[in-house]
Amino acid sequence: EVQLVESGGGLVQPGRSLRLSCTASGFTFGDYAMSWVRQAPGKGLEWVGFIRSKAYGGTTEYAASVKGRFTISRDDSKSIAYLQMNSLKTEDTAVYYCTRSNWNAFDYWGQGTLVTVSS
Amino acid sequence: QPVLTQPPSSSASPGESARLTCTLPSDINVGSYNIYWYQQKPGSPPRYLLYYYSDSDKGQGSGVPSRFSGSKDASANTGILLISGLQSEDEADYYCMIWPSNASGVFGGGTKLTVL
Repeated sequence: EVQLVESGGGLVQPGRSLRLSCTASGFTFGDYAMSWVRQAPGKGLEWVGFIRSKAYGGTTEYAASVKGRFTISRDDSKSIAYLQMNSLKTEDTAVYYCTRSNWNAFDYWGQGTLVTVSS
Repeated sequence: QPVLTQPPSSSASPGESARLTCTLPSDINVGSYNIYWYQQKPGSPPRYLLYYYSDSDKGQGSGVPSRFSGSKDASANTGILLISGLQSEDEADYYCMIWPSNASGVFGGGTKLTVL
């Protein structure tokens, strides 16, 4: 059974950093791209970014709203994807979901972790 | 980033069909893109439903009933999610998504479907 479990969310002040983790199980983690999607309270879904599998270079892409501030990485030996968030803004407040990317379809989602950016 | 337009709300009665739309901006041809559809119920993460490119290139998410199907209306530059035989459990928010490039994805604003 595919499982994705996010962790690392919480309350953080504007301008500070936070790192989210996504621990995967039930599939060969290294074979898949992994994405992050967020959802602000009461709002719709926003694609944040993804990291390709090593077979496709392990490169990353980001939404314009987070580019230069957020970094996605992966540790295939541990089946973990990370989202490093720097220079956080109040508008980054959201539930952050980790997803498995299967030919551009987000076919499995974690339960999400809430990040609140507030002073 | 292109804006995908979804009606904020839609409603239909049990047993009827619901047709949810996702309209692309005029400078992006719906015929050139896979349209992905996701369902989200309150308090739960989204669930992948399906993608649709054409009748010969489409795919259903794992465990998704066949009464969920996709199509396109090229004349309206719109992707469509059709839910037939509506059930009360289909009441949810529905989001469309496309990948305008290999480097970025964009969701529509979502449609809240009410089963009357």
